[in-house]
Amino acid sequence: GAVVSQHPSWVICKSGTSVKIECRSLDFQATTMFWYRQFPKQSLMLMATSNEGSKATYEQGVEKDKFLINHASLTLSTLTVTSAHPEDSSFYICSARDLSGYSYEQYFGPGTRLTVT
Amino acid sequence: AQKVTQAQTEISVVEKEDVTLDCVYETRDTTYYLFWYKQPPSGELVFLIRRNSFDEQNEISGRYSWNFQKSTSSFNFTITASQVVDSAVYFCAPISRDSWGKFQFGAGTQVVVTP
Repeated sequence: GAVVSQHPSWVICKSGTSVKIECRSLDFQATTMFWYRQFPKQSLMLMATSNEGSKATYEQGVEKDKFLINHASLTLSTLTVTSAHPEDSSFYICSARDLSGYSYEQYFGPGTRLTVT
Repeated sequence: AQKVTQAQTEISVVEKEDVTLDCVYETRDTTYYLFWYKQPPSGELVFLIRRNSFDEQNEISGRYSWNFQKSTSSFNFTITASQVVDSAVYFCAPISRDSWGKFQFGAGTQVVVTP
């Protein structure tokens, strides 16, 4: 089946630094990917839609200048958390859909756990 | 836009008991899909089932079964003969055909299965 990978799987950084998270579709092309955030003991919340070759669209309340999204190729989207603070500590999950089929299944990455100290 | 209610915060059962997870959704879309995902402690989302809005046939797949009632906007999920490995958080999520990919996850139900 289709596979979506994320790198790194976990990262610890100091407050004020920036962290980049990669989301890759390994065996299919994805013009659109999605980024979700999950705080401890909470549900997943959609942050933004990443569009290949164009600007990302952000959900209400998500700071676009803080969460930079780049979708430079059909298989890679990156999320950069700029000037990270402890409140940005969360589990970040990306997802993508294989355009070659008509399935509405969503392939999720394994997630990246970010801890900001 | 969809709204999902998973009223059960946590369900604790003993192994081999059945577990039914409730999901009630709201949508103005005529065509939509309903999903159930499982999230074990590792964090990775595991796809369980998908149903489209025009197929109300309920099915059984192994130990999993679901009950889709469009008239009451409910999409309940049952695990039969639960096992310890079923311990996880279960999310219900509708998605509109017009905005695929943009899941509105429910709050999730924590299932704890003890030996």
